[in-house]
Amino acid sequence: QQQVKQSPQSLIVQKGGISIINCAYENTAFDYFPWYQQFPGKGPALLIAIRPDVSEKKEGRFTISFNKSAKQFSLHIMDSQPGDSATYFCAASIASARQLTFGSGTQLTVLP
Amino acid sequence: DAGITQSPRHKVTETGTPVTLRCHQTENHRYMYWYRQDPGHGLRLIHYSYGVKDTDKGEVSDGYSVSRSKTEDFLLTLESATSSQTSVYFCAISLWDSQTQYFGPGTRLLVL
Repeated sequence: QQQVKQSPQSLIVQKGGISIINCAYENTAFDYFPWYQQFPGKGPALLIAIRPDVSEKKEGRFTISFNKSAKQFSLHIMDSQPGDSATYFCAASIASARQLTFGSGTQLTVLP
Repeated sequence: DAGITQSPRHKVTETGTPVTLRCHQTENHRYMYWYRQDPGHGLRLIHYSYGVKDTDKGEVSDGYSVSRSKTEDFLLTLESATSSQTSVYFCAISLWDSQTQYFGPGTRLLVL
């Protein structure tokens, strides 16, 4: 049973546009929601993370929006750049279990 | 890569042969993880370790075993490789006081 559902599977955005990737979870015990960025041939790298006690977290051009009642969270990339072209994964974990459950990934292409 | 190395980085093997992948970390982190990454599935947890000789199964542990005899090394063994185990394998660590995981560069395994 997939506990974290991610959409879309792929996304094409023009340079300067906004990229939005969405995730939905089922387990209300999740208390940590990171996003990872992965370039081809590399391991995933932590991009930004949020806990359910806040509704939004911003770091530079990257923002996580969190809706606890809807059990959804999303990544917004403002002013998208060709260098942002990568695969993005959302994930969720429970503090006591220390295990990450990942979404299926979104391949983002930013056109110059 | 948070002081994580994986070896080998690439391996081609035949069905039925044993394969061992190594994850080595230099910073004495307690928690270590093995994931496999396949298209459409994101990253799935195979096994994890919370200390020397302390390991547990993840979501997709069938056909895999692990060992951790030293803090710095976490080994993943495919006792008898199958074509379904063709994948990219990632090792990760987490700090003792954090849910954040940091990933190694990955091992690409092809089972013919």
